[in-house]
Amino acid sequence: DSGVTQTPKHLITATGQRVTLRCSPRSGDLSVYWYQQSLDQGLQFLIHYYNGEERAKGNILERFSAQQFPDLHSELNLSSLELGDSALYFCASSVRTGGSEQYFGPGTRLTVT
Amino acid sequence: GESVGLHLPTLSVQEGDNSIINCAYSNSASDYFIWYKQESGKGPQFIIDIRSNMDKRQGQRVTVLLNKTVKHLSLQIAATQPGDSAVYFCAETWYSGGGADGLTFGKGTHLIIQP
Repeated sequence: DSGVTQTPKHLITATGQRVTLRCSPRSGDLSVYWYQQSLDQGLQFLIHYYNGEERAKGNILERFSAQQFPDLHSELNLSSLELGDSALYFCASSVRTGGSEQYFGPGTRLTVT
Repeated sequence: GESVGLHLPTLSVQEGDNSIINCAYSNSASDYFIWYKQESGKGPQFIIDIRSNMDKRQGQRVTVLLNKTVKHLSLQIAATQPGDSAVYFCAETWYSGGGADGLTFGKGTHLIIQP
């Protein structure tokens, strides 16, 4: 158990819909990262927040957004969902930003039908 | 963009043997590397890391070697056990001005331990 929690574990929704994925980092970790894992693209970095502020963006679509709240939990919002958005979404947390190990949560499996 | 890649998609070894998983990276600016293990249905699990100012780092039954000259990273697992069966990813990152990018992952190597 990494100490990172994610909800929900599974999510099934229809195309065009909007969903919110939630992540609680390990106690004391200020950084939260979001990743998408799909069979064709592998593990892709989406976005990084540090202590409530966005720090870096990776391959995140404009239809996706995220935020980190004062209690350091983070939410990833996916809108106008397409079939290709079906994937595993992981969040990871680390103590600081840059050059430190990241601990991954169990993931949310999103299925868009 | 630049990416980290793995040489072999599947590696099969006998239980008790040592295994070596290789990884090539292309960004010479990368200064931190991590090996992760991912079991089916779970998130990646941290195994070992190494910074660019080191060539070798050892953990429990695992050793990571970094060759910056040829941009090569390897993970050695000693005396493999059935529980070592998983997909192994190498990942790299670097500190970009004003913030830190996330990890760039390789495609993964599926390690299969034969009884």
